[in-house]
Amino acid sequence: AQSVTQLDSHVSVSEGTPVLLRCNYSSSYSPSLFWYVQHPNKGLQLLLKYTSAATLVKGINGFEAEFKKSETSFHLTKPSAHMSDAAEYFCVVSEAGTYKYIFGTGTRLKVLA
Amino acid sequence: NAGVTQTPKFQVLKTGQSMTLQCAQDMNHNSMYWYRQDPGMGLRLIYYSASEGTTDKGEVPNGYNVSRLNKREFSLRLESAAPSQTSVYFCASSPTRGDTQYFGPGTRLTVL
Repeated sequence: AQSVTQLDSHVSVSEGTPVLLRCNYSSSYSPSLFWYVQHPNKGLQLLLKYTSAATLVKGINGFEAEFKKSETSFHLTKPSAHMSDAAEYFCVVSEAGTYKYIFGTGTRLKVLA
Repeated sequence: NAGVTQTPKFQVLKTGQSMTLQCAQDMNHNSMYWYRQDPGMGLRLIYYSASEGTTDKGEVPNGYNVSRLNKREFSLRLESAAPSQTSVYFCASSPTRGDTQYFGPGTRLTVL
Protein backbone atom coordinates (compact mmCIF):
# COMPACT_ATOMS: atom_id res chain seq x y z
CA ALA A 1 0.00 0.00 0.00
CA GLN A 2 1.10 3.52 -0.67
CA SER A 3 1.98 5.88 2.15
CA VAL A 4 3.61 9.24 2.67
CA THR A 5 5.40 10.39 5.81
CA GLN A 6 6.36 13.98 6.37
CA LEU A 7 8.94 13.72 9.09
CA ASP A 8 8.42 17.15 10.67
CA SER A 9 5.08 18.72 11.47
CA HIS A 10 6.72 22.12 12.12
CA VAL A 11 9.97 23.65 10.86
CA SER A 12 11.34 27.08 11.80
CA VAL A 13 14.15 28.79 9.92
CA SER A 14 15.59 32.28 9.86
CA GLU A 15 15.11 34.42 6.77
CA GLY A 16 18.01 33.87 4.36
CA THR A 17 18.91 30.39 5.69
CA PRO A 18 18.30 27.08 3.88
CA VAL A 19 15.02 25.19 4.05
CA LEU A 20 14.73 21.40 4.24
CA LEU A 21 11.33 19.72 4.42
CA ARG A 22 11.52 15.94 4.57
CA CYS A 23 9.26 13.40 2.89
CA ASN A 24 9.50 9.62 2.73
CA TYR A 25 7.13 7.49 0.69
CA SER A 26 6.31 3.90 0.02
CA SER A 27 4.86 2.72 -3.25
CA SER A 28 4.66 -0.61 -5.00
CA TYR A 29 5.08 0.81 -8.48
CA SER A 30 6.72 3.80 -10.13
CA PRO A 31 5.15 6.73 -8.35
CA SER A 32 4.54 10.30 -9.33
CA LEU A 33 5.52 12.61 -6.50
CA PHE A 34 4.39 16.16 -5.86
CA TRP A 35 4.99 19.01 -3.44
CA TYR A 36 2.19 21.50 -2.88
CA VAL A 37 2.15 24.70 -0.82
CA GLN A 38 -0.87 26.07 1.01
CA HIS A 39 -0.88 29.63 2.31
CA PRO A 40 -3.37 30.46 5.09
CA ASN A 41 -6.98 30.21 3.99
CA LYS A 42 -5.99 29.39 0.42
CA GLY A 43 -6.11 26.38 -1.86
CA LEU A 44 -3.12 24.18 -2.68
CA GLN A 45 -0.64 25.32 -5.30
CA LEU A 46 1.78 23.00 -7.10
CA LEU A 47 5.44 23.65 -6.32
CA LEU A 48 6.95 20.81 -8.33
CA LYS A 49 6.44 17.23 -9.48
CA TYR A 50 8.53 14.15 -10.23
CA THR A 51 7.43 11.78 -12.97
CA SER A 52 10.45 9.52 -13.59
CA ALA A 53 12.51 11.91 -15.68
CA ALA A 54 15.37 13.80 -13.96
CA THR A 55 15.78 12.91 -10.29
CA LEU A 56 16.47 16.55 -9.34
CA VAL A 57 13.32 18.51 -9.94
CA LYS A 58 13.17 22.30 -9.99
CA GLY A 59 9.99 24.07 -9.04
CA ILE A 60 8.64 27.55 -8.60
CA ASN A 61 9.97 30.19 -6.22
CA GLY A 62 13.45 28.62 -5.98
CA PHE A 63 12.33 25.28 -4.53
CA GLU A 64 13.72 21.97 -5.69
CA ALA A 65 13.44 18.33 -4.65
CA GLU A 66 15.54 15.25 -5.21
CA PHE A 67 14.02 11.83 -5.82
CA LYS A 68 16.13 9.13 -4.13
CA LYS A 69 14.72 5.71 -4.89
CA SER A 70 17.19 3.86 -2.63
CA GLU A 71 16.11 5.98 0.34
CA THR A 72 12.45 6.29 -0.77
CA SER A 73 12.73 10.02 -0.12
CA PHE A 74 11.64 13.19 -1.89
CA HIS A 75 12.88 16.03 0.30
CA LEU A 76 12.10 19.65 -0.57
CA THR A 77 14.85 22.27 -0.33
CA LYS A 78 15.42 25.95 -0.91
CA PRO A 79 18.79 27.68 -0.52
CA SER A 80 17.51 30.85 1.13
CA ALA A 81 14.17 31.25 2.91
CA HIS A 82 12.00 34.29 2.37
CA MET A 83 9.28 35.57 4.66
CA SER A 84 6.71 34.79 1.95
CA ASP A 85 7.64 31.07 2.16
CA ALA A 86 5.83 30.76 5.49
CA ALA A 87 3.03 28.30 4.72
CA GLU A 88 2.06 24.64 4.98
CA TYR A 89 3.70 22.18 2.60
CA PHE A 90 2.29 18.83 1.50
CA CYS A 91 4.10 15.89 -0.05
CA VAL A 92 1.84 13.77 -2.26
CA VAL A 93 2.31 10.42 -4.00
CA SER A 94 0.22 9.11 -6.85
CA GLU A 95 0.53 5.52 -7.91
CA ALA A 96 0.85 5.00 -11.66
CA GLY A 97 -2.40 4.16 -13.41
CA THR A 98 -4.68 5.07 -10.50
CA TYR A 99 -6.78 8.00 -9.37
CA LYS A 100 -5.48 7.72 -5.84
CA TYR A 101 -3.35 10.52 -4.42
CA ILE A 102 -1.96 10.03 -0.92
CA PHE A 103 -1.25 13.23 1.00
CA GLY A 104 1.20 13.62 3.83
CA THR A 105 -0.04 15.32 6.98
CA GLY A 106 1.81 18.53 6.13
CA THR A 107 4.77 20.54 7.42
CA ARG A 108 4.17 24.04 8.66
CA LEU A 109 7.12 26.28 7.79
CA LYS A 110 7.77 29.33 9.92
CA VAL A 111 10.27 31.95 8.73
CA LEU A 112 11.78 34.16 11.41
CA ALA A 113 12.92 37.71 10.67
CA ASN B 1 -9.16 31.43 -17.29
CA ALA B 2 -10.43 31.03 -13.72
CA GLY B 3 -9.05 27.50 -13.13
CA VAL B 4 -11.11 25.73 -10.44
CA THR B 5 -13.88 27.67 -8.74
CA GLN B 6 -15.94 26.67 -5.71
CA THR B 7 -19.09 28.07 -4.15
CA PRO B 8 -19.84 28.99 -1.47
CA LYS B 9 -16.67 30.09 0.33
CA PHE B 10 -18.22 29.75 3.78
CA GLN B 11 -21.31 27.98 5.10
CA VAL B 12 -22.83 27.32 8.51
CA LEU B 13 -25.42 24.56 8.79
CA LYS B 14 -27.46 23.07 11.60
CA THR B 15 -27.35 19.32 12.20
CA GLY B 16 -29.68 17.57 9.77
CA GLN B 17 -29.73 20.30 7.14
CA SER B 18 -28.69 19.57 3.57
CA MET B 19 -26.59 21.51 1.13
CA THR B 20 -24.68 21.20 -2.13
CA LEU B 21 -21.15 22.43 -2.72
CA GLN B 22 -20.50 23.48 -6.29
CA CYS B 23 -17.27 23.11 -8.25
CA ALA B 24 -16.42 24.05 -11.82
CA GLN B 25 -13.23 23.95 -13.90
CA ASP B 26 -12.47 25.60 -17.20
CA MET B 27 -9.31 23.67 -18.12
CA ASN B 28 -11.08 20.88 -20.03
CA HIS B 29 -9.82 18.32 -17.52
CA ASN B 30 -11.27 14.83 -17.53
CA SER B 31 -10.89 14.02 -13.83
CA MET B 32 -12.32 15.82 -10.83
CA TYR B 33 -12.06 15.20 -7.09
CA TRP B 34 -13.55 16.22 -3.75
CA TYR B 35 -11.36 16.28 -0.64
CA ARG B 36 -11.84 17.30 2.95
CA GLN B 37 -9.08 18.81 5.04
CA ASP B 38 -9.02 18.43 8.80
CA PRO B 39 -6.27 19.66 11.15
CA GLY B 40 -3.28 17.34 11.28
CA MET B 41 -4.74 14.90 8.75
CA GLY B 42 -3.73 16.20 5.35
CA LEU B 43 -6.35 15.88 2.62
CA ARG B 44 -8.63 12.86 2.36
CA LEU B 45 -10.46 11.89 -0.81
CA ILE B 46 -14.25 11.80 -0.55
CA TYR B 47 -15.24 11.01 -4.15
CA TYR B 48 -13.72 11.34 -7.55
CA SER B 49 -14.90 11.34 -11.15
CA ALA B 50 -12.53 9.82 -13.67
CA SER B 51 -14.46 11.26 -16.58
CA GLU B 52 -17.83 12.74 -17.42
CA GLY B 53 -20.57 10.32 -16.43
CA THR B 54 -18.58 8.32 -13.88
CA THR B 55 -18.07 8.69 -10.13
CA ASP B 56 -16.31 6.54 -7.56
CA LYS B 57 -15.88 6.47 -3.81
CA GLY B 58 -12.71 7.60 -2.18
CA GLU B 59 -11.39 7.10 1.32
CA VAL B 60 -14.22 8.82 3.29
CA PRO B 61 -17.47 8.75 1.25
CA ASN B 62 -20.00 8.13 4.04
CA GLY B 63 -22.55 10.93 4.38
CA TYR B 64 -21.83 12.41 0.96
CA ASN B 65 -23.10 12.10 -2.60
CA VAL B 66 -21.71 13.56 -5.81
CA SER B 67 -22.87 14.44 -9.30
CA ARG B 68 -20.71 14.96 -12.36
CA LEU B 69 -23.13 17.23 -14.16
CA ASN B 70 -20.98 17.66 -17.26
CA LYS B 71 -17.27 17.85 -18.01
CA ARG B 72 -16.92 21.18 -16.20
CA GLU B 73 -18.98 20.68 -13.05
CA PHE B 74 -18.75 18.30 -10.11
CA SER B 75 -20.98 18.87 -7.09
CA LEU B 76 -20.85 17.44 -3.57
CA ARG B 77 -24.05 17.00 -1.55
CA LEU B 78 -24.51 16.55 2.16
CA GLU B 79 -28.02 15.10 2.64
CA SER B 80 -28.14 15.35 6.44
CA ALA B 81 -25.23 17.30 7.85
CA ALA B 82 -23.49 16.15 11.03
CA PRO B 83 -20.97 17.98 13.25
CA SER B 84 -18.31 15.47 12.12
CA GLN B 85 -18.60 16.99 8.63
CA THR B 86 -17.26 20.32 9.86
CA SER B 87 -14.21 20.74 7.67
CA VAL B 88 -12.67 22.60 4.75
CA TYR B 89 -13.68 21.08 1.43
CA PHE B 90 -11.50 21.30 -1.66
CA CYS B 91 -12.37 20.48 -5.23
CA ALA B 92 -9.58 19.59 -7.65
CA SER B 93 -9.21 18.61 -11.28
CA SER B 94 -6.52 16.91 -13.35
CA PRO B 95 -6.11 16.18 -17.07
CA THR B 96 -6.07 12.45 -16.32
CA ARG B 97 -5.22 9.98 -13.58
CA GLY B 98 -1.95 10.50 -11.78
CA ASP B 99 -1.40 13.90 -13.34
CA THR B 100 -1.01 17.24 -11.59
CA GLN B 101 -4.10 18.26 -9.65
CA TYR B 102 -5.32 21.87 -9.65
CA PHE B 103 -7.21 22.96 -6.57
CA GLY B 104 -10.01 25.40 -5.90
CA PRO B 105 -9.92 27.92 -3.04
CA GLY B 106 -11.99 25.74 -0.69
CA THR B 107 -15.28 25.90 1.17
CA ARG B 108 -15.18 26.25 4.95
CA LEU B 109 -18.18 24.39 6.37
CA THR B 110 -19.31 24.45 9.99
CA VAL B 111 -22.08 22.14 11.20
CA LEU B 112 -23.58 23.11 14.56
